[in-house]
Amino acid sequence: AQKITQTQPGMFVQEKEAVTLDCTYDTSDPSYGLFWYKQPSSGEMIFLIYQGSYDQQNATEGRYSLNFQKARKSANLVISASQLGDSAMYFCAMSLGSTLGRLYFGRGTQLTVWP
Amino acid sequence: DARVTQTPRDKVTEMGQEVTMRCQPILGHNTVFWYRQTMMQGLELLAYFRNRAPLDDSGMPKDRFSAEMPDATLATLKIQPSEPRDSAVYFCASGLVTGGAGNTGELFFGEGSRLTVL
Repeated sequence: AQKITQTQPGMFVQEKEAVTLDCTYDTSDPSYGLFWYKQPSSGEMIFLIYQGSYDQQNATEGRYSLNFQKARKSANLVISASQLGDSAMYFCAMSLGSTLGRLYFGRGTQLTVWP
Repeated sequence: DARVTQTPRDKVTEMGQEVTMRCQPILGHNTVFWYRQTMMQGLELLAYFRNRAPLDDSGMPKDRFSAEMPDATLATLKIQPSEPRDSAVYFCASGLVTGGAGNTGELFFGEGSRLTVL
């Protein structure tokens, strides 16, 4: 069974500092994609960043970067220069080449950014 | 700015009533998903469609839930009869999934339908 694990139920970071949100995954499918979504208190799911299993370089999108360590099966999200508006729930998710499009979600990490 | 549209945003109903949630996927997207989010279970996949054909609905309680795509612009999720344990936020998501190189299969989510069954 495919599995996404987020071991940090909650994280706190001071504004302007960097923070890493952990995510590990488990699959035997050689082709997969890893996603991070942000869910603010308003409830919508916002796509942040994507990493393909065959991508050689770590994905970056503005202040977001994905620290992809394939051998360790980890896909940690790094947010640089945290802002108060980054306070939200963050979900790691995985799609498989065999069931492309379907996302398997972790339980999420609640990030709180304080001034 | 293309987006997935869900209605209703909020629904309060009594146990035993029928509930229908609707979703308009982004034009051109070929895959539509229904997810349910609760504090206890997190995000669960209920059903999904590709090119309007159901691919997987194993996450749905079959006796009371049904999901359909009567056309490419509308997906529906129906609960009949509703129960208090169905209280959750229901998300619709759509994506263009081709399996081709560079196709990330990124899903775009609607704002969700918050259902409360009393």
